[in-house]
Amino acid sequence: EPEVTQTPSHQVTQMGQEVILRCVPISNHLYFYWYRQILGQKVEFLVSFYNNEISEKSEIFDDQFSVERPDGSNFTLKIRSTKLEDSAMYFCASSEGNSFMRCTFGSGTRLTVV
Amino acid sequence: SQQGEEDPQALSIQEGENATMNCSYKTSINNLQWYRQNSGRGLVHLILIRSNEREKHSGRLRVTLDTSKKSSSLLITASRAADTASYFCATDAPGAGSYQLTFGKGTKLSVIP
Repeated sequence: EPEVTQTPSHQVTQMGQEVILRCVPISNHLYFYWYRQILGQKVEFLVSFYNNEISEKSEIFDDQFSVERPDGSNFTLKIRSTKLEDSAMYFCASSEGNSFMRCTFGSGTRLTVV
Repeated sequence: SQQGEEDPQALSIQEGENATMNCSYKTSINNLQWYRQNSGRGLVHLILIRSNEREKHSGRLRVTLDTSKKSSSLLITASRAADTASYFCATDAPGAGSYQLTFGKGTKLSVIP
């Protein structure tokens, strides 16, 4: 079965540093998403992306965050200046459509900000 | 308001027993999905039920949806130790531009061999 691939699986970064989390969505999918899960808490929506632009974003997705699909296969999440509270598991997901469609999630990148 | 709240928060059963987890939500939905997450790992899609469906089966899984009560249940029959995981419901809302899934806090299921 096709998979969403995320790299790295674990990243440790110093507070204030920039990080880029990478994802390769399923090839025929058109909608891409980032979610995060702070340890012990709910999975929270960050942003959705379609047709090379952001479709929807949550309050969490402030100016420190950006997404990009640089080359038609990768989908990246950049955090410009990490804070301690950015420590979380970040999940990339993709779907064929935006409704009535299952979302396939990657296995996540665990970001630890120290 | 909280969307997608599961109960119980934790459930411990013996292998072979059935496990039932419930999810309630507050706003109208397009679909409701159930996901499984093994400890520290990714989310695995289990089953999707549309708002106009009442029941759906997939292998040992049975999902029901009651839109009048804004609730869903996930039944895992003949549980196995490998079913030990956290289970989340996730809803998406109708309307253009509603691309996001709203997850509940999850039910942590432990199946004792």
